[in-house]
Amino acid sequence: AQKITQTQPGMFVQEKEAVTLDCTYDTSDPSYGLFWYKQPSSGEMIFLIYQGSYDQQNATEGRYSLNFQKARKSANLVISASQLGDSAMYFCAMREVSGGYNKLIFGAGTRLAVHP
Amino acid sequence: ETGVTQSPTHLIKTRGQQVTLRCSSQSGHNTVSWYQQALGQGPQFIFQYYREEENGRGNFPPRFSGLQFPNYSSELNVNALELDDSALYLCASSLVQDWTFGSGTRLTVV
Repeated sequence: AQKITQTQPGMFVQEKEAVTLDCTYDTSDPSYGLFWYKQPSSGEMIFLIYQGSYDQQNATEGRYSLNFQKARKSANLVISASQLGDSAMYFCAMREVSGGYNKLIFGAGTRLAVHP
Repeated sequence: ETGVTQSPTHLIKTRGQQVTLRCSSQSGHNTVSWYQQALGQGPQFIFQYYREEENGRGNFPPRFSGLQFPNYSSELNVNALELDDSALYLCASSLVQDWTFGSGTRLTVV
């Protein structure tokens, strides 16, 4: 079965600094997709970035980049130039294809606090 | 384009009661998934609806059921509520693998 592991329950970062949130995954499927979502206190899951297993380059979306190391099965999120509004829960997720449908498998999340 | 809207935002129910949660999908999306997020955990997949039929289900008992309507909106029904059903229930609409989530319904069972 596929599994996502986020080992950092909480992280602190100074405003304007960069921070890396860790994510490791386990799957036997050669084709998979990895996602990062941000969940503020309002509850909504906000899509940040996507990396496909066959993508040759690491994904980037503005201040977000994904450090994809396929051999190590890791997909760490890097947030550059942190802002106070980045304080939230962050979830790593993997797309699982089962019985002809797609679903997301989530990790336990990392709570990020950005300090001024 | 409109996003995913869920109602109500908060709900308090008594153990043994039944509850219905509602979700309107994003324009252009034909698939709706429901997730349960217990406090301090990541979301867990409940089930998915496509063309008004359930086409995928996670490890949840039959008292969790759903519907999808012709306009792709959806309902999640939970019968015989238990204390452990207290959670944030998230709805996500999608076309392929472009999930858009709503803000969720926070259900408290007392």
